[in-house]
Amino acid sequence: AQSVSQHNHHVILSEAASLELGCNYSYGGTVNLFWYVQYPGQHLQLLLKYFSGDPLVKGIKGFEAEFIKSKFSFNLRKPSVQWSDTAEYFCAVKGGMDSSYKLIFGSGTRLLVRP
Amino acid sequence: SAVISQKPSRDICQRGTSLTIQCQVDSQVTMMFWYRQQPGQSLTLIATANQGSEATYESGFVIDKFPISRPNLTFSTLTVSNLSPEDSSIYLCSAGGARGEQFFGPGTRLTVL
Repeated sequence: AQSVSQHNHHVILSEAASLELGCNYSYGGTVNLFWYVQYPGQHLQLLLKYFSGDPLVKGIKGFEAEFIKSKFSFNLRKPSVQWSDTAEYFCAVKGGMDSSYKLIFGSGTRLLVRP
Repeated sequence: SAVISQKPSRDICQRGTSLTIQCQVDSQVTMMFWYRQQPGQSLTLIATANQGSEATYESGFVIDKFPISRPNLTFSTLTVSNLSPEDSSIYLCSAGGARGEQFFGPGTRLTVL
């Protein structure tokens, strides 16, 4: 069965620090990959997505993620975080050949950025 | 993208009663899904709402407890039946297409007393 692992459950950074959140998935075939963000009191928003092509994808608010197929990873990065990036971040995977269209979510990483 | 709205945004219910949550999408979508999110935890898929046929439930979720309707391509309801305090959670509706990209509603926060 597919699964998604986010190893960092809680991350605390100071403003301007660099961010990298890990995401690993278990699925041997073609995958579609996503990062979602949930700001305090708000609903889930799509941060970025990977379907195919350039493995380095850029999303909103300066976030990017790199798909490394050999490592089954899709890590999220941001060079310099801001206090407003405080949120919970979820990695999600859809098996490309899975006809059910459903997403498998990781357990989430709660990011706190200190001013 | 799609804009999803849910009603109610929150409710407090007595045990043994039921709550029906409505989900409206601003455009026709192929797939609609219902999730549960316990406080501080990730999303757990309850079921896929299929237009014109019975919903497809995930392991651990049954139709008697979580009946779902999807009468058309823009609307779905989830009922949480015979409520117990363990059902207290946030219930989320999402809509998406074949590539897996999903857009989420604001959620319904349910508290069962």
